[in-house]
Amino acid sequence: EIVMTQSPATLSVSPGERATLSCRASQSISTFLAWVQHKPGQAPRLLIQAASTRAPGISARFSGSGSGTEFTLTISSLQSEDFAVYYCQQYINWPPTFGQGTKLEIK
Amino acid sequence: QVQLVQSGPEVKKPGTSVKVSCKASTFTFTSSAVQWLRQARGQRPEWIGWMVVGSGSTNYAQKFQDRVTMTRDMSTSTAYMELTSLRSEDTAVYYCATASPGSYLSHSWGQGTLVTVSS
Repeated sequence: EIVMTQSPATLSVSPGERATLSCRASQSISTFLAWVQHKPGQAPRLLIQAASTRAPGISARFSGSGSGTEFTLTISSLQSEDFAVYYCQQYINWPPTFGQGTKLEIK
Repeated sequence: QVQLVQSGPEVKKPGTSVKVSCKASTFTFTSSAVQWLRQARGQRPEWIGWMVVGSGSTNYAQKFQDRVTMTRDMSTSTAYMELTSLRSEDTAVYYCATASPGSYLSHSWGQGTLVTVSS
């Protein structure tokens, strides 16, 4: 199965600043990459699909890029509600697999 | 906005079974697929399998192949996931999520159901 690796494990950023999260796939997944936001006690929420397409209702502050094996999620001008755990997921190959997550915390 | 409402927390003894439900609203249930995933504390999410609601066909991860059954009740727009022969390692939050048939992308997720396996 495809192994997804995220970095860093924890990212400390001040509100208003930009955050950049990385995700690497163990083999090429083209652009079959999703980013999911998860806050404690809440349902996970799809942010980005196809590596760069925002899901309906997602703020333009969230942007995704990359293809093949290297991907990036950028969150511009961080707001308090953005502090959460972010997972990348590949969905081209069976079984779909997730990264171990990046915890975005307030600096 | 699709809403998936899952059943409440469960505490089970090793060797028993659990059945988690997932009720869909404002959602074209019959033309979609439902995926089930789980996440143990401190671990990454893990895909269990999915079901095409209209046909009832299923696709399970190899790890769960002989212990999981996914079903649905179209009259109530509810999907079910039953896991048998529970062991302590099955303690996790279980999620259902919508998907398009033929895709493993999870669009909307339920709120999760904590299943605790303990003697």
